[in-house]
Amino acid sequence: EAQVTQNPRYLITVTGKKLTVTCSQNMNHEYMSWYRQDPGLGLRQIYYSMNVEVTDKGDVPEGYKVSRKEKRNFPLILESPSPNQTSLYFCASSPGGGPSGANVLTFGAGSRLTVL
Amino acid sequence: KQEVTQIPAALSVPEGENLVLNCSFTDSAIYNLQWFRQDPGKGLTSLLLIQSSQREQTSGRLNASLDKSSGRSTLYIAASQPGDSATYLCAVRSLSGYSTLTFGKGTMLLVSP
Repeated sequence: EAQVTQNPRYLITVTGKKLTVTCSQNMNHEYMSWYRQDPGLGLRQIYYSMNVEVTDKGDVPEGYKVSRKEKRNFPLILESPSPNQTSLYFCASSPGGGPSGANVLTFGAGSRLTVL
Repeated sequence: KQEVTQIPAALSVPEGENLVLNCSFTDSAIYNLQWFRQDPGKGLTSLLLIQSSQREQTSGRLNASLDKSSGRSTLYIAASQPGDSATYLCAVRSLSGYSTLTFGKGTMLLVSP
């Protein structure tokens, strides 16, 4: 089944403890992206990747890192989490990153992160 | 910077009603607009994508229209069902920054039996 898989789905951690949220897709998609969703603010893009070793900042990149060493994986790294990073995180992928109508995003199920 | 607004924020209707969800965007220089559905505790599912050169797209009971010049899109749901209950989001892909989507905050729809 074609899908985007995120882990963990739920995580409670403490301020300053490094964590990684993994994202993997099995569709050979070139484009991958991370979003966070907060009440009243909607979905905001954190980082995106057009292909292996190509990443760029979205609207809210502060406090996050990403890497794209393999096509299928796009982990989100919080080096020193803070309470304002408590949020629902989504990973998504599409065949390409351009404006073609074929580039419809497939989303993962989400990772709910709480930072105490 | 592109801004996307969805009205209403929440909507409750009885089963069987036809309904319209609205989406407006500030910069009409767009490639396309997409409508997504989000169920509680789940990710987003793409419903319809309208290219900037198109006026509308249809899928089953769903019809999305686009008026690029006025910065508006509507999602029409015919004969609503309880299974349509979800949050509906629209997202715009702008000419500036075409590799990203700008999302609205969504309309939470509840269809009661």
